[in-house]
Amino acid sequence: ETGVTQTPRHLVMGMTNKKSLKCEQHLGHNAMYWYKQSAKKPLELMFVYNFKEQTENNSVPSRFSPECPNSSHLFLHLHTLQPEDSALYLCASSQVMGVAKNIQYFGAGTRLSVL
Amino acid sequence: AQSVSQHNHHVILSEAASLELGCNYSYGGTVNLFWYVQYPGQHLQLLLKYFSGDPLVKGIKGFEAEFIKSKFSFNLRKPSVQWSDTAEYFCAVNAGGGSNYKLTFGKGTLLTVNP
Repeated sequence: ETGVTQTPRHLVMGMTNKKSLKCEQHLGHNAMYWYKQSAKKPLELMFVYNFKEQTENNSVPSRFSPECPNSSHLFLHLHTLQPEDSALYLCASSQVMGVAKNIQYFGAGTRLSVL
Repeated sequence: AQSVSQHNHHVILSEAASLELGCNYSYGGTVNLFWYVQYPGQHLQLLLKYFSGDPLVKGIKGFEAEFIKSKFSFNLRKPSVQWSDTAEYFCAVNAGGGSNYKLTFGKGTLLTVNP
């Protein structure tokens, strides 16, 4: 158990569907992250939130829409995705940004397949 | 921009063999270095980290890594692997200071340990 819980673990969606990924952390952290893990590619940072405020959008297409209602919850809303968006989406959290010894803790991920 | 290179895509060893996984990064300033491990079907777990001080760091499960600044390297080692070490290993780096939330990952090395 990592302290970072992601749901659902698996998701299959059509290109016209709208779905959401959820992440919850129980570590008392204030920074949360979305990453994309594709086969044979390094993990790609998508979004960063610090104290509920978005501080990083790594040129992510607008069909991915993050939401952070509080420091413990992070959502990724998906709409009109493309097959190439199929990947493992990982959520992570850390104490805060800018701390000298910033360690990120990861959830198990949501395996997304876009048909 | 930072980048991380992991030299081996797939390493196959027999139990009790010694392990060394290479990791090189490109960044000229102060760095924090990490090795994460992902066991099949599980979340990314922190194996060990280097922030400062002794360049030889010890992690969980008998793993260690050595930071060689002059070579921009942070290789992972274990003297005797076990079947349970079968997993994918990721090297990651972030710059010290205010940008230390931006983890840059390597592509990962899949380790298969045969009994």
